[in-house]
Amino acid sequence: AQKITQTQPGMFVQEKEAVTLDCTYDTSDPSYGLFWYKQPSSGEMIFLIYQGSYDQQNATEGRYSLNFQKARKSANLVISASQLGDSAMYFCAMREGRGSTTDSWGKFQFGAGTQVVVTP
Amino acid sequence: DGGITQSPKYLFRKEGQNVTLSCEQNLNHDAMYWYRQDPGQGLRLIYYSQIVNDFQKGDIAEGYSVSREKKESFPLTVTSAQKNPTAFYLCASRDKTGNYGYTFGSGTRLTVV
Repeated sequence: AQKITQTQPGMFVQEKEAVTLDCTYDTSDPSYGLFWYKQPSSGEMIFLIYQGSYDQQNATEGRYSLNFQKARKSANLVISASQLGDSAMYFCAMREGRGSTTDSWGKFQFGAGTQVVVTP
Repeated sequence: DGGITQSPKYLFRKEGQNVTLSCEQNLNHDAMYWYRQDPGQGLRLIYYSQIVNDFQKGDIAEGYSVSREKKESFPLTVTSAQKNPTAFYLCASRDKTGNYGYTFGSGTRLTVV
């Protein structure tokens, strides 16, 4: 069963505007981590932001913030003040289990991704 | 700088041939992973290894093989048994804490001709 769902296959956003990328997840494990990665056309995966299941506050990293709604199992990425260089594929991912334990090492799943195109 | 190096960047294979994709890391990470990415799709796990000389199958291991003789290296062989090998292959690694996810290589694009 799909554990990470990204319902937006693609979206256009104007430069300097904010954009929200949706991600919902499904797990029964109380310990988990949520990640967002950016994949430009060159192909490499760039880590953007991390949210642990026990973190009380939403994670922020520069222009990226993660809107974590635990009860709704939602982990949306917000990119503020979009730039042309933000055009890329964005993936939401989840690691089930505690990151420090080896039983989590094989349990890392990705959503299908959202293609973002920033226009001038 | 530490990182993961994948080579080659582009690889062409004739049908029926085995090919090996290289992945080397100098991050001193314990675990290494191979993912396959098809157009418009997310990443699917092929194999992963937590320690040297040990590895486990992921979700789509059929037609692939790996080895982990050194901590730094985790090569992936795409065998002739893999019926649809054309895809983008990403190697990743993580350390024991792993709270910050994976570090990825830049990928190898494999095309069957």
